[in-house]
Amino acid sequence: GQQLNQSPQSMFIQEGEDVSMNCTSSSIFNTWLWYKQDPGEGPVLLIALYKAGELTSNGRLTAQFGITRKDSFLNISASIPSDVGIYFCAGQHEETSGSRLTFGEGTQLTVNP
Amino acid sequence: KAGVTQTPRYLIKTRGQQVTLSCSPISGHRSVSWYQQTPGQGLQFLFEYFSETQRNKGNFPGRFSGRQFSNSRSEMNVSTLELGDSALYLCASSQGIWDEQYFGPGTRLTVT
Repeated sequence: GQQLNQSPQSMFIQEGEDVSMNCTSSSIFNTWLWYKQDPGEGPVLLIALYKAGELTSNGRLTAQFGITRKDSFLNISASIPSDVGIYFCAGQHEETSGSRLTFGEGTQLTVNP
Repeated sequence: KAGVTQTPRYLIKTRGQQVTLSCSPISGHRSVSWYQQTPGQGLQFLFEYFSETQRNKGNFPGRFSGRQFSNSRSEMNVSTLELGDSALYLCASSQGIWDEQYFGPGTRLTVT
């Protein structure tokens, strides 16, 4: 099935560093979401974006809805060990695919204390 | 408010058997979606239910089916299991069709 291109696939950083990851698509979306998944658990919603150009923060997390509607970015500032996990972007386009979410491949984040 | 619950959490089945997975959405949520997660294919959409009606279906064979009850609880069924059906099956609920989807912990299905 269609998937978003998410990069990087993995990141190894030191505690306190900032992190950036992004998703791109050949199709436009009108909703972008970012999730975090811990081992053995389901994805947890971090941030939802509904408007092109929108910049939204949730604590140390900031996400942006790209102006072309084909990309989105997630930044994590001052990383801590509990940030470890897999981060997924997901896009939604009501007209072309209804309410289904199309997911990126995920970014595996490792934070060294 | 309790989150999305899925039962069972783990399941081991044999090829050719069938399986039923259950999902209870967040209280007040009327839309339930199912996704399959595998290392090779990632997260893939299976189907979505709203008010007991299937509104959307992913590209999976007819062996995969589901339903939703009047209390919004949902079940999915996989018949004639194949080894490739081994996966984490995730249920997500949302208040309405276009609202944010919240995931349950998943059911880990292993087919031997």
